[in-house]
Amino acid sequence: NAGVTQTPKFQVLKTGQSMTLQCAQDMNHEYMSWYRQDPGMGLRLIHYSVGAGITDQGEVPNGYNVSRSTTEDFPLRLLSAAPSQTSVYFCASSRRATGGVGSGLDDEQFFGPGTRLTVL
Amino acid sequence: DQQVKQNSPSLSVQEGRISILNCDYTNSMFDYFLWYKKYPAEGPTFLISISSIKDKNEDGRFTVFLNKSAKHLSLHIVPSQPGDSAVYFCAPIRAMYSGGGADGLTFGKGTHLIIQP
Repeated sequence: NAGVTQTPKFQVLKTGQSMTLQCAQDMNHEYMSWYRQDPGMGLRLIHYSVGAGITDQGEVPNGYNVSRSTTEDFPLRLLSAAPSQTSVYFCASSRRATGGVGSGLDDEQFFGPGTRLTVL
Repeated sequence: DQQVKQNSPSLSVQEGRISILNCDYTNSMFDYFLWYKKYPAEGPTFLISISSIKDKNEDGRFTVFLNKSAKHLSLHIVPSQPGDSAVYFCAPIRAMYSGGGADGLTFGKGTHLIIQP
């Protein structure tokens, strides 16, 4: 199994450009999520999905869109990049949802290696 | 307002000694606590967890202690090894929360553990 893969590893954008960060997992996990990590900060949840066709907002959703057309893929779209979106982005997946009744207490969240994004 | 605080940004420990990483939280609805370890240029990986119904969980060299009344938990690593040098995140969840949604992991800012040879 490849686990959770993310592309690209690095990206530089100009303010106002749009792009899609790709995330895929081959573990047949229902729950997928996107986090961002800024210097000196913990990871913060952007968006998550509890299954194909179902997405919801996390703590910091503004400026990002997501969709989940398949179980395997969960792309994150930046509609109009801003310097404040310079960050490292991590995608994660787990068998069941994390947080909320019925959370997969024994279901580990697997993280991808991250995409380092710089917006000039 | 930070719900999860790891007040030591870095910690240096000699190889073979005990490393103690601390985490404080404010949200009393957190009922399951996870620790993640992160190496540079990699994603976080799960290390150990503890449920709020316990006060201690042990896994090899790693032990997590939970003091619910103080809203404090700590991760003990003994003996510390060079491969333990990494950033450690405390990440509680509201596992029994029924307000809707699946609000994921709430991460602290992390503690950079450096094991000195």
